[in-house]
Amino acid sequence: QQPVQSPQAVILREGEDAVINCSSSKALYSVHWYRQKHGEAPVFLMILLKGGEQKGHEKISASFNEKKQQSSLYLTASQLSYSGTYFCGTVQGAQKLVFGQGTRLTINP
Amino acid sequence: NAGVTQTPKFRILKIGQSMTLQCTQDMNHNYMYWYRQDPGMGLKLIYYSVGAGITDKGEVPNGYNVSRSTTEDFPLRLELAAPSQTSVYFCASSYSSQRQANYGYTFGSGTRLTVV
Repeated sequence: QQPVQSPQAVILREGEDAVINCSSSKALYSVHWYRQKHGEAPVFLMILLKGGEQKGHEKISASFNEKKQQSSLYLTASQLSYSGTYFCGTVQGAQKLVFGQGTRLTINP
Repeated sequence: NAGVTQTPKFRILKIGQSMTLQCTQDMNHNYMYWYRQDPGMGLKLIYYSVGAGITDKGEVPNGYNVSRSTTEDFPLRLELAAPSQTSVYFCASSYSSQRQANYGYTFGSGTRLTVV
């Protein structure tokens, strides 16, 4: 079952913060986050393997709440290079990733 | 290290034609996947493989076939192309072990397929 991401789109000014949420109706064991720029392949950002875990990547971090079956991606002091579509992916058996529908992030100067 | 290499990058097919999308990886990853991405949408899993000789269906396997004879290669075959198969196809690979359930996926650059 596909995880649900919110919001579907975000428009920010450079330097502002954003939060992207990913929730699932199924139990979550791990959550992946990827960023895809227009016309390019998705690029792996991070994976969260344990409930309550938080990880960081530059000024991008994420949390994973196993009980609530959701994960959130935090982008602080956004840069122009952060623009793109962000996807969460949840592992569902045999390491198969099922991706959310994506959140389009636009950063304006 | 080339990572995951897909060929061709672009292709136009006529309805009813067949083709094979090639995917090869040089990272010794045991898992490989094929996804399709329709415009403005997320990625849908077509087929995946957990090792040479082992393949299984994903969410949208109809109209496609795969094989995995080696660790490196995972070609996707389209038989009797239909306009509904117009999409961008991504191959991906990852490594999984008993120590850690999974690692991040590495994606190829994609094949943009149009069926007319």
